[in-house]
Amino acid sequence: QLVLTQSPSASASLGASVKLTCTLSSGLSSYAIAWHQQQPEKGPRYLMKLNSDGSHSKGDGIPDRFSGSSSGAERYLTISSLQSEDEADYYCQTWGTGTFGGGTKLTVL
Amino acid sequence: EVQLVESGGGLVQPGGSLRLSCAASGFPFSIYWMHWVRQAPGKGLVWVSRINSDGSSTSYADSVQGRFTISRDNAKNTLYLQMKSQRVEDTAVYYCARGSGKFLIDQWGQGTLVTVSS
Repeated sequence: QLVLTQSPSASASLGASVKLTCTLSSGLSSYAIAWHQQQPEKGPRYLMKLNSDGSHSKGDGIPDRFSGSSSGAERYLTISSLQSEDEADYYCQTWGTGTFGGGTKLTVL
Repeated sequence: EVQLVESGGGLVQPGGSLRLSCAASGFPFSIYWMHWVRQAPGKGLVWVSRINSDGSSTSYADSVQGRFTISRDNAKNTLYLQMKSQRVEDTAVYYCARGSGKFLIDQWGQGTLVTVSS
């Protein structure tokens, strides 16, 4: 069964960087994922597709501050130069079933 | 500009039916997989259903299998979700989304709220 694990919460200071993690269940380390952002009271927004080799393709208009990387079964979303509008829920979604992780609530201090 | 506009949400009684629509524009609708995703109040995103480009292949989450039916009209650039035998736990914002291949999503609608309550 495909399972995606995300930490429920994360926090970082304005202007700093943060790295969010999505862990694929055992045996699925070759799967690509997608990262999505959901700001408060808004619909989700596609950020990027992230492959197992770390290559990624971002959605239209996604700032360079957002980047992705991979290591084994872990998929990362790094946000640099944090801004107040980056405070949001971040979800990963896996290839293979399309299911979502539980999401990480990012607080910008 | 890609646009996905959902409609048809509202209040429905337990056991009732509702049909959601999603009007697509700004891209060649007929060649894309399409999805429905829902989000219960205060909860995370949950994939509900997907359909391939010509409507010949569909899949559903276990929680809605046998009660919900996804379909599309490529001539009208419209995606549908027919919901029957609705339960209180179906209460959620329902999002229409464009597929990036079969499984992933790369565009989202703004959502429509469905409330199942007596």
